[in-house]
Amino acid sequence: GNSVTQMEGPVTLSEEAFLTINCTYTATGYPSLFWYVQYPGEGLQLLLKATKADDKGSNKGFEATYRKETTSFHLEKGSVQVSDSAVYFCALSEGDKIIFGKGTRLHILP
Amino acid sequence: DADVTQTPRNRITKTGKRIMLECSQTKGHDRMYWYRQDPGLGLRLIYYSFDVKDINKGEISDGYSVSRQAQAKFSLSLESAIPNQTALYFCATSMLGIYTFGSGTRLTVV
Repeated sequence: GNSVTQMEGPVTLSEEAFLTINCTYTATGYPSLFWYVQYPGEGLQLLLKATKADDKGSNKGFEATYRKETTSFHLEKGSVQVSDSAVYFCALSEGDKIIFGKGTRLHILP
Repeated sequence: DADVTQTPRNRITKTGKRIMLECSQTKGHDRMYWYRQDPGLGLRLIYYSFDVKDINKGEISDGYSVSRQAQAKFSLSLESAIPNQTALYFCATSMLGIYTFGSGTRLTVV
């Protein structure tokens, strides 16, 4: 079946550092890919998405490119802030449902 | 008001008790979902509903039941709570693959 694998956390960075959170997927067909973010005490919210190969999703300084050849959708940000501390989930669409990765906790130190 | 509202936010209950978690939404979405979140396991789908007359089991439905009382309301019941059902529970709605989550219910079974 379809699945999502993302790097285990926690990831700890200093403010203004470059961020990469790796995500790879296994899927039949051509799913849409997503990154969701969960801030402390809140539910998940959509951060960005890409619906086809070579699409780049972007939002709030974060970017991810749908790479069909490497089945990847890595999340990047050039300069992180303390306010980016959260749990990040990579996900893919499977028919009418979404499959989530296990999440990566990100800590940003001031 | 939040688009997806879950009640209660926190609940402690005893083993063997019946408990209901409630979810209501103002998004007007037909599709609703219940997930549980456990540390290191990400989100796992319990039940989902694509309209009022449609109920489907997810990957971990044993020990749970649901009721879709109206388009806007989707409740989750634990008929006889057990300690390994201690978790954070999320309700979500979706349209066109974009999910909106509630803030979660933290349930502790003692």
